[in-house]
Amino acid sequence: GAVVSQHPSWVICKSGTSVKIECRSLDFQATTMFWYRQFPKQSLMLMATSNEGSKATYEQGVEKDKFLINHASLTLSTLTVTSAHPEDSSFYICSARSGAGGPGELFFGEGSRLTVL
Amino acid sequence: AQTVTQSQPEMSVQEAETVTLSCTYDTSESNYYLFWYKQPPSRQMILVIRQEAYKQQNATENRFSVNFQKAAKSFSLKISDSQLGDTAMYFCAFMKHQTGANNLFFGTGTRLTVIP
Repeated sequence: GAVVSQHPSWVICKSGTSVKIECRSLDFQATTMFWYRQFPKQSLMLMATSNEGSKATYEQGVEKDKFLINHASLTLSTLTVTSAHPEDSSFYICSARSGAGGPGELFFGEGSRLTVL
Repeated sequence: AQTVTQSQPEMSVQEAETVTLSCTYDTSESNYYLFWYKQPPSRQMILVIRQEAYKQQNATENRFSVNFQKAAKSFSLKISDSQLGDTAMYFCAFMKHQTGANNLFFGTGTRLTVIP
């Protein structure tokens, strides 16, 4: 199956700093990637849809200036948490669609755990 | 708007037994996909099984099968011969059937524990 990789898998940062998380499709091209956020023991909530070569589409309530998404190539999307605060601590997951998958199937990265001190 | 409801936050099953996880959804769409994803402790989401709404036949994947009741908007997952490796969070998810970008709407999840 298609492989989606995230880096870093975990990161700890100080409050006020910015953190970048990368999402790569390793063996396929992804014109669209999705970024989710998952709080402990909760479901995945869609944050934004990342479109290659254009601006991301953010879900209602998600601050676009805080969560910067860049999809500069067909295999890479990045999520930058700017001026991070402890309440931004969460598990961030990306996903992408591959033509190798079945109808509607999305492939997920391993997730990135962010802890803001 | 689409909503997905999983009414069982936690469940447990004895190894080798069968367990059924419930899922209901609400949508005005006539054609869509339904999924069950597994999230083990490693946290990576893994597709368990997929159902296309226009197909009446219930999907099966080895020990995993679904009971898809379109009129009732119900999509339960049956795990037969449960194994210790089945211990995980299970999420039911919905996706519209349309061209272009599609995102998944997830339920709140069911934590399944397989007891040796």
